[in-house]
Amino acid sequence: NAGVTQTPKFRVLKTGQSMTLLCAQDMNHEYMYWYRQDPGMGLRLIHYSVGEGTTAKGEVPDGYNVSRLKKQNFLLGLESAAPSQTSVYFCASSRLAGALEQFFGPGTRLTVL
Amino acid sequence: DAKTTQPTSMDCAEGRAANLPCNHSTISGNEYVYWYRQIHSQGPQYIIHGLKNNETNEMASLIITEDRKSSTLILPHATLRDTAVYYCIVRVWDTGTASKLTFGTGTRLQVTL
Repeated sequence: NAGVTQTPKFRVLKTGQSMTLLCAQDMNHEYMYWYRQDPGMGLRLIHYSVGEGTTAKGEVPDGYNVSRLKKQNFLLGLESAAPSQTSVYFCASSRLAGALEQFFGPGTRLTVL
Repeated sequence: DAKTTQPTSMDCAEGRAANLPCNHSTISGNEYVYWYRQIHSQGPQYIIHGLKNNETNEMASLIITEDRKSSTLILPHATLRDTAVYYCIVRVWDTGTASKLTFGTGTRLQVTL
């Protein structure tokens, strides 16, 4: 039982490049989330999903897209990376609607030059 | 959501109990108290939550005062691996929505030999 896994762990991009971050969970959770964490700013929600095939915007969705084609996977895409997207990205999942008991992955540290 | 106040930092000797306070004097009747921690460079980790009654799990105990205006997270036998930033969060459990997790500044707990 791996919980929530994220790939890759680290990535360096040049401005304008694209990439996809993969999140996978093996707990059969309905709800999945993508956050970013910047120094001194806490967690900010990018996008979330309440089930397979559904996604919704969080508080900082601009510049990102997501897809949830399978229940266990939640993908975060950057179509044209910008230096402002340099951050640590965390994926999380939860079993119950409205619950704050979320299980987090180890994070992806992304640097955009 | 009710505002929470936590000390900025605390120290604890290894093997002793770590008692982390949280003030939430404006909490309303349907708001839960959640605790998370974040060890340096890792994803946030859920610890425990409660509504009115004291709660205990394998990680910690949560003591909520009778008037619910404050709570204490207790790590009974702190180890060096418990060194982290601890976050107290007060939120309604709204079963109709996915819940965004928002951290305040938290308490930086340093466990020492």
